[in-house]
Amino acid sequence: GDSVTQMEGPVTLSEEAFLTINCTYTATGYPSLFWYVQYPGEGLQLLLKATKADDKGSNKGFEATYRKETTSFHLEKGSVQVSDSAVYFCALSDRDTNAGKSTFGDGTTLTVKP
Amino acid sequence: NAGVTQTPKFQVLKTGQSMTLQCAQDMNHEYMSWYRQDPGMGLRLIHYSVGAGITDQGEVPNGYNVSRSTTEDFPLRLLSAAPSQTSVYFCASSYTGASNQPQHFGDGTRLSIL
Repeated sequence: GDSVTQMEGPVTLSEEAFLTINCTYTATGYPSLFWYVQYPGEGLQLLLKATKADDKGSNKGFEATYRKETTSFHLEKGSVQVSDSAVYFCALSDRDTNAGKSTFGDGTTLTVKP
Repeated sequence: NAGVTQTPKFQVLKTGQSMTLQCAQDMNHEYMSWYRQDPGMGLRLIHYSVGAGITDQGEVPNGYNVSRSTTEDFPLRLLSAAPSQTSVYFCASSYTGASNQPQHFGDGTRLSIL
């Protein structure tokens, strides 16, 4: 079945540091890939997505590239801010199921210190 | 638009009690899902629905029932609460089941079973 593996956390960085959160996936078909962000006490919000190989999703300074050859979708940001502190989830949606549901990674908690 | 609304936000139950977690969306989304979030385990799919009158089981359906009598509402019922069901529950929806469509999440219900 489908699965998503994220780098283990928590991750603690200083403000303006470079961020990478690794994500690799296993899927039988050609999935769409997502990064969601969860702020304390809230639900998940879409951060960015990519729907086919070599697509780059970007939003709010975050980027991730769909790499089919390495089955990866790593999240990057060049300069993090305190406000980026949150839990980040990598997810995939299998094109073959067409049922509006996703498979999620375990989440990575990011703390950014001033 | 309110988006996806979950009630209650917090609930404490005793073992063996039953209750219903409410979920409503006002975006005319056909697809709805219930997930539970446990520390270090990401989100796991409980049940999902691809339209009014149609539901199916996800990864961890035991101990939960759902129904979908309207497009807007997708309640989750705990039949006889157990401590293992202590978790944060999220409802999500999407307009279509296409894999490139992200899900929209409610803010969650934090449930404790004593």
